[in-house]
Amino acid sequence: GNSVTQMEGPVTLSEEAFLTINCTYTATGYPSLFWYVQYPGEGLQLLLKATKADDKGSNKGFEATYRKETTSFHLEKGSVQVSDSAVYFCALSDQSFGNEKLTFGTGTRLTIIP
Amino acid sequence: NAGVMQNPRHLVRRRGQEARLRCSPMKGHSHVYWYRQLPEEGLKFMVYLQKENIIDESGMPKERFSAEFPKEGPSILRIQQVVRGDSAAYFCASSRRDEAFFGQGTRLTVV
Repeated sequence: GNSVTQMEGPVTLSEEAFLTINCTYTATGYPSLFWYVQYPGEGLQLLLKATKADDKGSNKGFEATYRKETTSFHLEKGSVQVSDSAVYFCALSDQSFGNEKLTFGTGTRLTIIP
Repeated sequence: NAGVMQNPRHLVRRRGQEARLRCSPMKGHSHVYWYRQLPEEGLKFMVYLQKENIIDESGMPKERFSAEFPKEGPSILRIQQVVRGDSAAYFCASSRRDEAFFGQGTRLTVV
């Protein structure tokens, strides 16, 4: 079955530091890959996505590249801000039956200190 | 243009009571997904519904849980005879092509 393994947290960084959150996956077929962000008390918001190998998703200074050879989709940001403090979830959708259900990693809590 | 609407945002139930969680998808979306998030864990898929049809319920517990998405009105996730282990955040999502839009969730507390 499908699975997503995500770097465990919590992660604490200083403002303007470089961020990497690792994510690897196991899936049948050709999944689409996603990063979602969850702010305290809120639902999930799509941060970025990539639908095929070598695609790079980007948004708000965050980037992730779909690496089929290493089955990875690591999230990066060059200079984090306090407002980036949240929980980040890596997810995949294999759409094998026209069903876009998502399989999530366990989440990584990120705290940025001024 | 309203997003996915869930209500109530917070729900407290005593053990043995019933919990009803509602979800209205985004306008024009006819597919609804329910997920459960236990404390400090990721979201786990429960059920996928289209109007008047359950498409995939592979993540639903076999007992006490049911879901529907009628022709008119919101999708309902129903939990009968709640137990403490049902305490969690329940999220609904509706999808368009390759993107899922999530509601703010219902946080169920069983006391």
